[in-house]
Amino acid sequence: ETGVTQSPTHLIKTRGQQVTLRCSSQSGHNTVSWYQQALGQGPQFIFQYYREEENGRGNFPPRFSGLQFPNYSSELNVNALELDDSALYLCASSPGDGYTFGSGTRLTVV
Amino acid sequence: QKEVEQNSGPLSVPEGAIASLNCTYSDRGSQSFFWYRQYSGKSPELIMSIYSNGDKEDGRFTAQLNKASQYVSLLIRDSQPSDSATYLCAVNSGGTSYGKLTFGQGTILTVHP
Repeated sequence: ETGVTQSPTHLIKTRGQQVTLRCSSQSGHNTVSWYQQALGQGPQFIFQYYREEENGRGNFPPRFSGLQFPNYSSELNVNALELDDSALYLCASSPGDGYTFGSGTRLTVV
Repeated sequence: QKEVEQNSGPLSVPEGAIASLNCTYSDRGSQSFFWYRQYSGKSPELIMSIYSNGDKEDGRFTAQLNKASQYVSLLIRDSQPSDSATYLCAVNSGGTSYGKLTFGQGTILTVHP
């Protein structure tokens, strides 16, 4: 149990559709970050949220967006899905030393 | 040049041997360094963090950091088959990049009996 919970575990979507992925971290973890990990690659930083505001973004287009809620949960939304969006999506929070990842959501775009 | 680069691997060592994993990074302002282990189909698991030059030991794992050379390594002593996984080096630049980790591509380690 890492203290970071993601849902759903797996998801299959069609190209052009929209998807929402969810993450819940422990109380007090004000910062949440989202990563995309393609097969055989290291995770790539998408963005981070601190106290419900985005305060850092990686090299991802605007169709990747997010929200963070007062109860420490957050969402990653991806519009107009492309085949290359197929990946493992990870959220991470920092309990102190280092960053703890959730179990991830495996998204397949067909 | 990649921001964080790891030795390409895959790396294969016999059980009981020392596995050595290496990582270089390009941002001299980097402040925090992490090693993650990722089993196939699972999410990354933090195994070591290091923030200052020198060695940091935790059980069979030793992380080494040399900021002048922009180099961080992970040694696994008495390697076990259960250590077989992909090892990811991650770097955080701190400051306004708080929360952003930059990862290497990973090194696949196989420990054979």
